[in-house]
Amino acid sequence: AQSVTQLGSHVSVSEGALVLLRCNYSSSVPPYLFWYVQYPNQGLQLLLKYTSAATLVKGINGFEAEFKKSETSFHLTKPSAHMSDAAEYFCAVSQGQAGTALIFGKGTTLSVSS
Amino acid sequence: DTAVSQTPKYLVTQMGNDKSIKCEQNLGHDTMYWYKQDSKKFLKIMFSYNNKELIINETVPNRFSPKSPDKAHLNLHINSLELGDSAVYFCASSQEKVMGGYTFGSGTRLTVV
Repeated sequence: AQSVTQLGSHVSVSEGALVLLRCNYSSSVPPYLFWYVQYPNQGLQLLLKYTSAATLVKGINGFEAEFKKSETSFHLTKPSAHMSDAAEYFCAVSQGQAGTALIFGKGTTLSVSS
Repeated sequence: DTAVSQTPKYLVTQMGNDKSIKCEQNLGHDTMYWYKQDSKKFLKIMFSYNNKELIINETVPNRFSPKSPDKAHLNLHINSLELGDSAVYFCASSQEKVMGGYTFGSGTRLTVV
């Protein structure tokens, strides 16, 4: 079975500060890993994905994540937070096979203050 | 051109009613899903269909019945609605091997009163 743990249900940063959202996964097979963002009252938008290619993955809006197999982690970072980054962030894992579901973590709310 | 579209966006209904939510994707994906997002924002898989075949059927009350008339459509029918069914329901789709990720619709906010 696969699972995802997001450490910290709420992260607050100042504008311009580093953003670090933590995600650890559990998987019996090589995982496919994803970060999604959800703005208030909207759907889920894919930020970036790891599908067994490069371990450092760059996504949209200046975000990136690094897959570390030894630590079973896939933390999301952004060097400088912007007010528009305030949203809910979800880490998710999949086996990558046809029909297999995306399993989500419980989400982390990112607040950005000026 | 919306990739995954759901209708309606909002649905307010009384307990005991039957309602349907429709989902269509124009991405040519072969797998579609229904997710439920509860009041704490937790996203849980309900069903998945691959080429019109039911693949995942999580522990969901049998009042919920998915129907996939073709690869591009996955509808969700809910009988005898209960207060606890209030949530946001998301439809999603993916291609085999999910290399491109999962694409989500904008959600249907269901409120049962």
